[in-house]
Amino acid sequence: DTGVSQDPRHKITKRGQNVTFRCDPISEHNRLYWYRQTLGQGPEFLTYFQNEAQLEKSRLLSDRFSAERPKGSFSTLEIQRTEQGDSAMYLCASSPGLAGVGGELFFGEGSRLTVL
Amino acid sequence: QKEVEQNSGPLSVPEGAIASLNCTYSDRVSQSFFWYRQYSGKSPELIMSIYSNGDKEDGRFTAQLNKASQYVSLLIRDSQPSDSATYLCAVKDWGNNRLAFGKGNQVVVIP
Repeated sequence: DTGVSQDPRHKITKRGQNVTFRCDPISEHNRLYWYRQTLGQGPEFLTYFQNEAQLEKSRLLSDRFSAERPKGSFSTLEIQRTEQGDSAMYLCASSPGLAGVGGELFFGEGSRLTVL
Repeated sequence: QKEVEQNSGPLSVPEGAIASLNCTYSDRVSQSFFWYRQYSGKSPELIMSIYSNGDKEDGRFTAQLNKASQYVSLLIRDSQPSDSATYLCAVKDWGNNRLAFGKGNQVVVIP
């Protein structure tokens, strides 16, 4: 399978716990994105990497969220001290594109987080 | 003002009819436009991209772009029950590295 893969697919946790999601992008894509989607809404941008560099981070992203992409391959998204409002689908996407025209994103199946 | 707006409610169309979806965007420097299909509980899947004014056809799908009026639309011809999904409009600005998504429009094709 050469698509974007995410793990775990589902995570149920108690409020206050930390959770970590992993994303493996399409191998030849150097751009990796994290989005969050709640019911009835479109995906909301969280952060973006080009290779190992985190180049953009949403102003809406709390300090409890951190993302890494060591060595420019897989990425992790960690949420510390989870809150019920963090319950959402966390989508990872990769892209081969350059800034400007193009920039299609290819999404993984997502990691669904439920905070009790 | 939201960057990308999809204001229509759920759209029900009979099988074989044309489904028409509209999307408006606020930033005049937007350069790349995409339509994604999302089945319930699944992730978005790219179905169309369009970069220039006019129409672009791909099978039963036609995307239309009008930069002067800042809207992009999607037509689904000969709608099939398998087209029942939420359709997300996404826009990318020149020099910007992220896509901004609308909230989506649900399409229900009635057999």
